[in-house]
Amino acid sequence: SQQGEEDPQALSIQEGENATMNCSYKTSINNLQWYRQNSGRGLVHLILIRSNEREKHSGRLRVTLDTSKKSSSLLITASRAADTASYFCATEPNQAGTALIFGKGTTLSVSS
Amino acid sequence: GAGVSQSPRYKVAKRGQDVALRCDPISGHVSLFWYQQALGQGPEFLTYFQNEAQLDKSGLPSDRFFAERPEGSVSTLKIQRTQQEDSAVYLCASSPRTSGTYEQYFGPGTRLTVT
Repeated sequence: SQQGEEDPQALSIQEGENATMNCSYKTSINNLQWYRQNSGRGLVHLILIRSNEREKHSGRLRVTLDTSKKSSSLLITASRAADTASYFCATEPNQAGTALIFGKGTTLSVSS
Repeated sequence: GAGVSQSPRYKVAKRGQDVALRCDPISGHVSLFWYQQALGQGPEFLTYFQNEAQLDKSGLPSDRFFAERPEGSVSTLKIQRTQQEDSAVYLCASSPRTSGTYEQYFGPGTRLTVT
């Protein structure tokens, strides 16, 4: 498998708490992206961080990237029940037009 | 505007049957990707088109899998003589660019169950 690894595999928190998910990958990348997938539905793009960036924010999302460790983290602040979903990191290798390589995902459950 | 659409959303096939899965990408998107997602796993790459050209089919698991995009828009993924291990969600994604940094726009997927 070419997939990276996310941890934890599953995370359960209360509304209002923060959720942190980690992702490790294997190859040199152009960028790393995070996607969300609600049960039985397609993936929705959340945020993209380029290989020369270290941190990026979008609303309640904060992403960090450490290319020396080949790892990234996604922080969701002040979580809501609607954040319940599976979250995947995906890396774009250093080749134009090639497909994204996805991790196995973290399943987040936010209870109210 | 309309997103990526896929049909059918659900397909049940008996082992040995042929199936055809359709993807309508976002209008004008040059790149089109097919992924296979097994239960509890992340999507895995199958094949990539740039307009009508299939530039990468390294992820197709066997010669029973065939994809085409004859006019550079709609794409069809065909699976011949389906096997139980083909049961998965098949995702299509499109992108407006061929190089550089870009995000992919995913369809809802087709859930294939082979009995």
